[in-house]
Amino acid sequence: EAGVVQSPRYKIIEKKQPVAFWCNPISGHNTLYWYLQNLGQGPELLIRYENEEAVDDSQLPKDRFSAERLKGVDSTLKIQPAELGDSAVYLCASSLASNTEAFFGQGTRLTVV
Amino acid sequence: DQQVKQNSPSLSVQEGRISILNCDYTNSMFDYFLWYKKYPAEGPTFLISISSIKDKNEDGRFTVFLNKSAKHLSLHIVPSQPGDSAVYFCAASENFNKFYFGSGTKLNVKP
Repeated sequence: EAGVVQSPRYKIIEKKQPVAFWCNPISGHNTLYWYLQNLGQGPELLIRYENEEAVDDSQLPKDRFSAERLKGVDSTLKIQPAELGDSAVYLCASSLASNTEAFFGQGTRLTVV
Repeated sequence: DQQVKQNSPSLSVQEGRISILNCDYTNSMFDYFLWYKKYPAEGPTFLISISSIKDKNEDGRFTVFLNKSAKHLSLHIVPSQPGDSAVYFCAASENFNKFYFGSGTKLNVKP
């Protein structure tokens, strides 16, 4: 069974440029999460989807970050414009339901220069 | 304000001995706890969980203990193996609404 797939694995962009990350969750998983992980820290939730509905986006900086999960399957996370402080690993995770353990993808390491 | 804390950034243990990783939390409403293991350049992998109705959960070499009064949980690995070398994160939630992660403990198991 394929795990959570994220692309790209690495991205280097100049500040003020836009960037997008893509995530394909495990088949059949209704819940999808985007996490941010800074160096030396644990993952921090950005947004959680139940199917196509964002049920918790309280930690998403909405002035520059946006996310979508239009058909309730794969999802994209966008930053526009990127800032130096956005350099981090962006992790996508999915779970069968919101009350089960989440499975993580390998993450996208973003470097903003 | 960190609600979940792992105060030991690193731990070194000899192969075959016990590894004990600790985690403290501040929110008494947390009722479900997870441990994840993370290898370099990979995403975290779920390891073991415990709900607040239990004080111990065991899965092979891995045992998680929960002390609700102290707001403390620990992960025991016995016996430790070199392949266990990784970063371990604990996470906690209230009714699965949102998981809060600690900053991780890097375990090094020496052959």
